[in-house]
Amino acid sequence: SQQGEEDPQALSIQEGENATMNCSYKTSINNLQWYRQNSGRGLVHLILIRSNEREKHSGRLRVTLDTSKKSSSLLITASRAADTASYFCATEENNTDKLIFGTGTRLQVFP
Amino acid sequence: KAGVTQTPRYLIKTRGQQVTLSCSPISGHRSVSWYQQTPGQGLQFLFEYFSETQRNKGNFPGRFSGRQFSNSRSEMNVSTLELGDSALYLCATSSTDGYTFGSGTRLTVV
Repeated sequence: SQQGEEDPQALSIQEGENATMNCSYKTSINNLQWYRQNSGRGLVHLILIRSNEREKHSGRLRVTLDTSKKSSSLLITASRAADTASYFCATEENNTDKLIFGTGTRLQVFP
Repeated sequence: KAGVTQTPRYLIKTRGQQVTLSCSPISGHRSVSWYQQTPGQGLQFLFEYFSETQRNKGNFPGRFSGRQFSNSRSEMNVSTLELGDSALYLCATSSTDGYTFGSGTRLTVV
């Protein structure tokens, strides 16, 4: 399967703590994207990092990309109960409009 | 601007029946892609359309088909439904900054 792997599968933390999720992928990529999904609803785009970028920030989100290791991480700082959701990484292969998703991390933030 | 609209939101069908799902992309967007999400297989790419042409196709049987109309609206069809087709079906449009997904159609096959 081309599907990427994410770890951990599940993560439980207290409000205010940081949450880190990791993603590994298998092919050459144009970019890597992170999405959030609440309770089986649609996916919400969080951040996109291009293959020539190493780090990107957006609000409380920080994403890193290491193309030599084919891996990425998503850090959510100062987490809130509203951050409770599943988080997916997705890679877009060169010359395609096709996303390959990771297996996802279920994040639970307790108030 | 309006987002990606999928209809219907929920659907229950019997094995052997066929089903058609609809997706209207963001106005002006010409690319529509479809994904299937199941607990066992996760999010899997089905196919992608651009200007009424299928550009990419995932590894799904021929029972899964789609099309796109001149107004960029897209439909996907699943014939001879099987229990394993029960899933959340998501469509999306792409831009240089990422993809915008609809809320999905949850299909249950009984």
